[in-house]
Amino acid sequence: GAVVSQHPSWVICKSGTSVKIECRSLDFQATTMFWYRQFPKQSLMLMATSNEGSKATYEQGVEKDKFLINHASLTLSTLTVTSAHPEDSSFYICSAPGQGRTEAFFGQGTRLTVV
Amino acid sequence: AQSVTQLDSQVPVFEEAPVELRCNYSSSVSVYLFWYVQYPNQGLQLLLKYLSGSTLVKGINGFEAEFNKSQTSFHLRKPSVHISDTAEYFCAVLPRSNTGKLIFGQGTTLQVKP
Repeated sequence: GAVVSQHPSWVICKSGTSVKIECRSLDFQATTMFWYRQFPKQSLMLMATSNEGSKATYEQGVEKDKFLINHASLTLSTLTVTSAHPEDSSFYICSAPGQGRTEAFFGQGTRLTVV
Repeated sequence: AQSVTQLDSQVPVFEEAPVELRCNYSSSVSVYLFWYVQYPNQGLQLLLKYLSGSTLVKGINGFEAEFNKSQTSFHLRKPSVHISDTAEYFCAVLPRSNTGKLIFGQGTTLQVKP
């Protein structure tokens, strides 16, 4: 199956700094990617839809100025958590739909800890 | 709109016993159905999916699921579990409207005991 690579797998940063997470489709092109957030022992919550060449679409309640998304190419989407605070600590996962959009392929996830 | 309900938050079971993880969904449009597994601090791995055709779907690691349209259910089963099956399991639906946007259930923790 298709491979989605997410980097880094974990990161620790200080409050007030920004952190960038990359999501790459390795063997296919993805005009759309999705970013999810997962709190401990909870399900995945869709944060935003990343669209290649245009602005991301954010879900209700997600701060677009806090979570900057850039989809610069057909194989790369980035999520930047700006001015991170401890409450931003979470597990972030990206996904990309496969051909025909009948399946989604997930990255390995990024564990963000803000101290 | 769509919603997915996983009826059990935790399912403890002994090794080699059968298990069923329940999933019900609600949708005003046709959907595809999925089960994913997540191991700690990892992404999601697809177990199986239902797109069309036979309502009994076989997946990886000996899992299978049955789509029941009248009951809007997609329960996951395995006849004999292993310790290594201990993980979080997510049921999800994907509207056939071609957005690629999955809607997840709350997850079920399968705890396999020796």
